[in-house]
Amino acid sequence: ETGVTQTPRHLVMGMTNKKSLKCEQHLGHNAMYWYKQSAKKPLELMFVYSLEERVENNSVPSRFSPECPNSSHLFLHLHTLQPEDSALYLCASSRTGDIAYGYTFGSGTRLTVV
Amino acid sequence: RKEVEQDPGPFNVPEGATVAFNCTYSNSASQSFFWYRQDCRKEPKLLMSVYSSGNEDGRFTAQLNRASQYISLLIRDSKLSDSATYLCVVGSYGQNFVFGPGTRLSVLP
Repeated sequence: ETGVTQTPRHLVMGMTNKKSLKCEQHLGHNAMYWYKQSAKKPLELMFVYSLEERVENNSVPSRFSPECPNSSHLFLHLHTLQPEDSALYLCASSRTGDIAYGYTFGSGTRLTVV
Repeated sequence: RKEVEQDPGPFNVPEGATVAFNCTYSNSASQSFFWYRQDCRKEPKLLMSVYSSGNEDGRFTAQLNRASQYISLLIRDSKLSDSATYLCVVGSYGQNFVFGPGTRLSVLP
């Protein structure tokens, strides 16, 4: 499989649930990102991992917890979410330091918190 | 001033029309520029890179003006399938790519 793969595609969870989003890339990239996109809003950068080290955390609430076990995999662990966290969560990857190419995005996980 | 700004839109144009979007960026040290397309409820996908000399891909033409720090995207002979949100993206060494807020295009029959 090639590109950036995200699972699940859709997720409905209650506010007391714990779930995880998964992202996997087969492009040989070494930087991975989590973005949030609420309805009709711009992309919001949440977390950045470069060479498996978290290099950016944009004031994201602690109910979102990222994990990057290796350069090909990225997780977003979710717990005690709020209804306003319902959004499209997008994973992206790139090569660290190489700005000649843009990001490659996964198809996203559409999350609904009930 | 935001790092990357775009025409707010939405743009509603008839099929066959020519439409142009503008994007301005604030970081004069920016080195790479892209247009992405995002369909409703889908992920952004790279449409084209923008080169200093300007570049064309079929009905799409991208231009870069470094002196004025703006990028443009021209779409000729619009198709219904061109309806989407177009995102301007700017890259600088040592920084994450910066995405503009997007301009929504609706091509009407």
